[in-house]
Amino acid sequence: DAGVIQSPRHEVTEMGQEVTLRCKPISGHNSLFWYRQTMMRGLELLIYFNNNVPIDDSGMPEDRFSAKMPNASFSTLKIQPSEPRDSAVYFCASRQEYNEQFFGPGTRLTVL
Amino acid sequence: TQLLEQSPQFLSIQEGENLTVYCNSSSVFSSLQWYRQEPGEGPVLLVTVVTGGEVKKLKRLTFQFGDARKDSSLHITAAQPGDTGLYLCAGARFSGGYNKLIFGAGTRLAVHP
Repeated sequence: DAGVIQSPRHEVTEMGQEVTLRCKPISGHNSLFWYRQTMMRGLELLIYFNNNVPIDDSGMPEDRFSAKMPNASFSTLKIQPSEPRDSAVYFCASRQEYNEQFFGPGTRLTVL
Repeated sequence: TQLLEQSPQFLSIQEGENLTVYCNSSSVFSSLQWYRQEPGEGPVLLVTVVTGGEVKKLKRLTFQFGDARKDSSLHITAAQPGDTGLYLCAGARFSGGYNKLIFGAGTRLAVHP
């Protein structure tokens, strides 16, 4: 298996633009997590899906952030409009039931 | 304020030295995990400890979970350059109907040849 796949790996955009991050979880995994990592705040959970249904979105910073999981093999995290303080590395992770979480390589987002 | 405090934040040592990294909290966790993250990659799970007082060994790495399940330590014996990376601890707490992982800010380790 190729592992968790994220795209793009790097994104540079200007303040106010819409940003869409993509994730393909490991086949057969039924849980998906979006995290954000910064030097100041470390690794924070944004949203958790189980069987494609959002279970916990309490970590989503504000209405500018939204996440979808239309099927078991694809999820998106959208920021609209983006702001400089959204600059961070965004990770997607997946797992099967209560087993180990496998992280993707991350998307490094820079908002100018 | 971090729920899980890791110390030290940075550690720079020579190959062959021993080191210990700490993960402390005032909260009780059902389990605690240690991850290593290398530049440009996501965290990779090293170990999960579940029982208070539990000790697990992974080659030169020794992990201990505190008796009260509030803290943990990672000890590396005879560090090697390949041990360089960001070490993250993560505590599991039942919240919102599932076991949620809370991550510490990490300890950045550099091992020089």
